[in-house]
Order: sequence, then structure tokens, then C-alpha cells
Amino acid sequence: DGGITQSPKYLFRKEGQNVTLSCEQNLNHDAMYWYRQDPGQGLRLIYYSQIVNDFQKGDIAEGYSVSREKKESFPLTVTSAQKNPTAFYLCASSIGTLQPQHFGDGTRLSIL
Amino acid sequence: DQQVKQNSPSLSVQEGRISILNCDYTNSMFDYFLWYKKYPAEGPTFLISISSIKDKNEDGRFTVFLNKSAKHLSLHIVPSQPGDSAVYFCAASNPHTGGGNKLTFGTGTQLKVEL
Repeated sequence: DGGITQSPKYLFRKEGQNVTLSCEQNLNHDAMYWYRQDPGQGLRLIYYSQIVNDFQKGDIAEGYSVSREKKESFPLTVTSAQKNPTAFYLCASSIGTLQPQHFGDGTRLSIL
Repeated sequence: DQQVKQNSPSLSVQEGRISILNCDYTNSMFDYFLWYKKYPAEGPTFLISISSIKDKNEDGRFTVFLNKSAKHLSLHIVPSQPGDSAVYFCAASNPHTGGGNKLTFGTGTQLKVEL
């Protein structure tokens, strides 16, 4: 089945550590996105990529980094510079503009 | 600055009745709007969308209405079913700014459909 796979579902990080969240899609979509959701809030855009080897900052990119070496993959690294990393992270992809984004099931990151 | 607003955090409706979820936006450059449904600990699921050239789009039990002059859209669910109980997010984008398909989300409305 085509879809977006995020792993792991739950992730724990010690303070001061970097951690990488995986996102893979087999929908052949060009564009991929990372969002963060905090309790009682909507989704906020962290980074997005419209094509391989290109990505742009979203609204809350500080403390995060991404790469887009393959069309299928868009990993997100939460660095130690991110002061409040505890959140639910969602990856999405879309085939293009004026088309809906499709989401994975998310990774919940917690700080130990 | 919240550009997409869902002013009702929650809504309770009886099974079989109509659910109406509302969304307001402030950015007049938005011209593509979507509704997503989300269950706890899962990713949002796309429901229905509408572009600014239309004022209504219908898909089964779901209808989205867009009033551009009022910068308001609404999602109607008829008839409401218990399985519709979830958080509903409104989202908007301006695909023509060079930012691709960036979405701006509202804060969500928790819909509860009661038996």
C-alpha cells in the first residue's frame, strides 16, 4: 500500500542530544513537509522540500535540520539547540500545488 | 498572528443531526482551503478541499462552503455519525507565492457526536 511511514512512533531523548526522526513515502510525491503539534494548538510548519536536494525553512525552523537526498525520504533532526523539543511531529507529502497533503501517523518525542 | 482561526474549541452534536464547523482567515492571499480530521496519536486525514474559484464543494456527507468576502469557510457533516468524533482542522494555503503548498492550520475543533 502507498503511504507515509514515520518511525519510531515514540522517541525519548536526553537533554543535550540530537535525535533524528525518519519519514519515508512511496507515493512518488515531489513535496515533503515536517510539522510540529503542541497540545491545544494547530500544526506548525518546521521545514519543507519541493524537490530533491532542496528545502526551505518553515515558520519554526530554529533548532531543527533536514536533508532531502532521495525523493522518498525527508529525515528531521531535532538538535540540542531546540529548547522545547517535546511535541508530536508529523511528516506529510503532496504531489504538487493545489493538492492535499497526506500525513504519516507521527512521532511523539519526549525529553528524559 | 493567527491567520487561520477556529474559534470553537469543541462542538457536541446528536447522531443523525448536522455538524457545522467554522473557520475564519485573515490573509486575503489564501486561495486554497482544506479540512482535515484527526484522531488522537494519529496523523490528520484529508477530508475535503475547495479553491477560491468555488463557493461550495461536496463529497458524500461532507460539504465545504467558502465565503471569500467574509473570509469564512465552514464544513457541514450530514448526517453526523459517532465515528465522526475527532478533532477537525481547517487549513489554508497560497500556492502562488513560491512557497509551494505550505499550509497554515487553525487550532482545531473537537467534534463529539453523541448517541
